[in-house]
Amino acid sequence: DVKVTQSSRYLVKRTGEKVFLECVQDMDHENMFWYRQDPGLGLRLIYFSYDVKMKEKGDIPEGYSVSREKKERFSLILESASTNQTSMYLCASSEREQFFGPGTRLTVL
Amino acid sequence: RKEVEQDPGPFNVPEGATVAFNCTYSNSASQSFFWYRQDCRKEPKLLMSVYSSGNEDGRFTAQLNRASQYISLLIRDSKLSDSATYLCVVILSGGSYIPTFGRGTSLIVHP
Repeated sequence: DVKVTQSSRYLVKRTGEKVFLECVQDMDHENMFWYRQDPGLGLRLIYFSYDVKMKEKGDIPEGYSVSREKKERFSLILESASTNQTSMYLCASSEREQFFGPGTRLTVL
Repeated sequence: RKEVEQDPGPFNVPEGATVAFNCTYSNSASQSFFWYRQDCRKEPKLLMSVYSSGNEDGRFTAQLNRASQYISLLIRDSKLSDSATYLCVVILSGGSYIPTFGRGTSLIVHP
């Protein structure tokens, strides 16, 4: 079974803090993705990566950065968290169909 | 126009009913199609791929209509446990497997 894990299920941070969300997959997938999901807006792609050290902007990259130093690990960074970044963050990996991690529910106060 | 559109519902059906959802896509170069299921406050999980000839998995049947650019999901003999949001996913051809997700259709199966 494909396994995608995320570092935290729930996270509470303060405005202005730097936030790291980590994602690890165990299926040697080339592609990894970060999404956020908000009620009524569906899944929105933040960043994705095709390979180690490669990254591409998705639909809503502003306020976020990513890092992929190893194939199995894809990190999402919020340089200075803001309240409008309160959301559910989902990581996925794929060769074709996507497999998702359990999500991190981030609250920024 | 949204690239992938779904009726948000909710579809409210009794146990045992048959229910169908459609999903339309705008890009005729779309190549791969999937249905995902998402339970409340959980991650989306792959339900089934959609093949050109149509395919069935137990009570679930998926179909693709390329001419009219839609895919469908039919659920027979609905169970309470089928209550969830069903997401349609479309991937363009060309090697970059970046999916486009619909916003989902909510299904509520009641006793």
